[in-house]
Amino acid sequence: AQSVTQLGSHVSVSEGALVLLRCNYSSSVPPYLFWYVQYPNQGLQLLLKYTSAATLVKGINGFEAEFKKSETSFHLTKPSAHMSDAAEYFCAVSRSGTYKYIFGTGTRLKVLA
Amino acid sequence: KAGVTQTPRYLIKTRGQQVTLSCSPISGHRSVSWYQQTPGQGLQFLFEYFSETQRNKGNFPGRFSGRQFSNSRSEMNVSTLELGDSALYLCASSLTGTSGPQETQYFGPGTRLLVL
Repeated sequence: AQSVTQLGSHVSVSEGALVLLRCNYSSSVPPYLFWYVQYPNQGLQLLLKYTSAATLVKGINGFEAEFKKSETSFHLTKPSAHMSDAAEYFCAVSRSGTYKYIFGTGTRLKVLA
Repeated sequence: KAGVTQTPRYLIKTRGQQVTLSCSPISGHRSVSWYQQTPGQGLQFLFEYFSETQRNKGNFPGRFSGRQFSNSRSEMNVSTLELGDSALYLCASSLTGTSGPQETQYFGPGTRLLVL
């Protein structure tokens, strides 16, 4: 069965500092992996997705994530945090041919001035 | 292209009542999925529809039901509301719903339901 683990339900970084949000997946076959962001009172917006074309995936707003099969990880990074990055971030996994996305429990990012 | 729209955005109901939520997918998308989001349980998959057929269902009681119309619009119904049904209900649409390199789920803004 697939699952997703996001380490750290809350992460705080200073403005301008590196953002690192962790996601580990469990899947018996190579998965598709996604990062979504949710701003207060809004739905989820896709940041980026891994579909096996390239292990380093660049997304919107300066975010990127690297797929590491040996570590079963898909961590999200951004070199320099901005106040507008404060939101909740969700990692999700699905398998080719399936209809169902499995979401992690989310990480709330706080950016300190 | 217009995004996924959900109506209403906010809803207040009392225990025992029923509620119907609506979702209009992105034009051309035939798959609609529903999720319940609560602080305690996170995002939980409710069900997915494609071409008016439910293809997959999450682990929710029978009080939760849905349907999809020929224009791909979908409705979700919750009968005999309980306090624990208070949540943000999110709808997502995709082309076929079958995960693949070209497939992405696009989410609507959600309907926030409060049960008193």
